[in-house]
Amino acid sequence: QKEVEQDPGPLSVPEGAIVSLNCTYSNSAFQYFMWYRQYSRKGPELLMYTYSSGNKEDGRFTAQVDKSSKYISLFIRDSQPSDSATYLCAMWNRDDKIIFGKGTRLHILP
Amino acid sequence: DAGVIQSPRHEVTEMGQEVTLRCKPISGHNSLFWYRQTMMRGLELLIYFNNNVPIDDSGMPEDRFSAKMPNASFSTLKIQPSEPRDSAVYFCASSSGTVYGYTFGSGTRLTVV
Repeated sequence: QKEVEQDPGPLSVPEGAIVSLNCTYSNSAFQYFMWYRQYSRKGPELLMYTYSSGNKEDGRFTAQVDKSSKYISLFIRDSQPSDSATYLCAMWNRDDKIIFGKGTRLHILP
Repeated sequence: DAGVIQSPRHEVTEMGQEVTLRCKPISGHNSLFWYRQTMMRGLELLIYFNNNVPIDDSGMPEDRFSAKMPNASFSTLKIQPSEPRDSAVYFCASSSGTVYGYTFGSGTRLTVV
């Protein structure tokens, strides 16, 4: 089993819809959970991070972590065409390198 | 800060040629990472340095790949000889070891024909 699993997509949704992106992981030592956004022909950029379990909201974006299930989610409300990108989940336990998922390609249709 | 700077942005080379990719990390960041990204395999960590010292090179695919970090402001990734299967986007990233994660460069798109 890989350390981090993420569905590559592509995921296509109409503008204005709620988007749900998810990852599962196997290493219970992870403490920090991150989402990176990567636009075409650019490097990934940190979108938001969460420490341990719980929710974190930033504008239209909500990150959710369920450590008991080893499952993390990113929700995008009122999705916009500018949200079209690849979203990579990432996990870290401070003592080692960050582990990235493969990324989910998201297309928001106008 | 100008961010992580990579050069060249694009490189097209013939099979068998030597390729050198360059990276300037963010000043003050003490860790540097080289990644390769393809559609099939996603983002793969090739090697990373901490305080200019290579820590983990287990992701380097084979002896054709080598990386150096002679000082805190410069690193190179070299492929010699290059093969068509090396075609990918290569990213450099740097970090200060905080929760803000890694800052990535814009990548070098390598095509080996």
